[in-house]
Amino acid sequence: TQLLEQSPQFLSIQEGENLTVYCNSSSVFSSLQWYRQEPGEGPVLLVTVVTGGEVKKLKRLTFQFGDARKDSSLHITAAQPGDTGLYLCAGRTQAGDMRFGAGTRLTVKP
Amino acid sequence: GAVVSQHPSWVICKSGTSVKIECRSLDFQATTMFWYRQFPKQSLMLMATSNEGSKATYEQGVEKDKFLINHASLTLSTLTVTSAHPEDSSFYICSARELGGMNTEAFFGQGTRLTVV
Repeated sequence: TQLLEQSPQFLSIQEGENLTVYCNSSSVFSSLQWYRQEPGEGPVLLVTVVTGGEVKKLKRLTFQFGDARKDSSLHITAAQPGDTGLYLCAGRTQAGDMRFGAGTRLTVKP
Repeated sequence: GAVVSQHPSWVICKSGTSVKIECRSLDFQATTMFWYRQFPKQSLMLMATSNEGSKATYEQGVEKDKFLINHASLTLSTLTVTSAHPEDSSFYICSARELGGMNTEAFFGQGTRLTVV
């Protein structure tokens, strides 16, 4: 079973639409990371959130860490075909290791 | 960010043989390295945590005698898949955490695709 529940698992939208991906857990994390992974490659770090309630923006991507540090969301505004990929959330446990969500496979159609 | 290099990027081996995968931190020292396995269309599953100079900690369900991990230096960890079988075919990814404590970031290698025939 996944420590982190990510939803939705699959998302197919048209270019220009907005979307939100959720990452939820019953556990508290010292930090949470969002990654994007291309086929056949390792995950590439997008952002790390550490403080409960923290909001970080990266161009059209907005990341939020829940107040209790158990959940996070990724919001993409005006999605583009280049945003297509597998988005993974990962939480750093109190023991120091990282656990991944199941991933959200995003397809943005032109 | 820091660079983690995995070698080889892909390998094909015969059933019953052993395969060694290397994970190197190129520009930093890593006290801890993590080994993950990723099956097609699935997420990364942690296999084991490797600490320099000590025995690796394996996740439940991961056979330590089958997946041998050695972390002999602060820049190199190796994963050896022994007596590989077709069901071991997967994408193996390592990550390395820089010396300095549990809150430092971990960086990922590019992965190794293992195919056992």
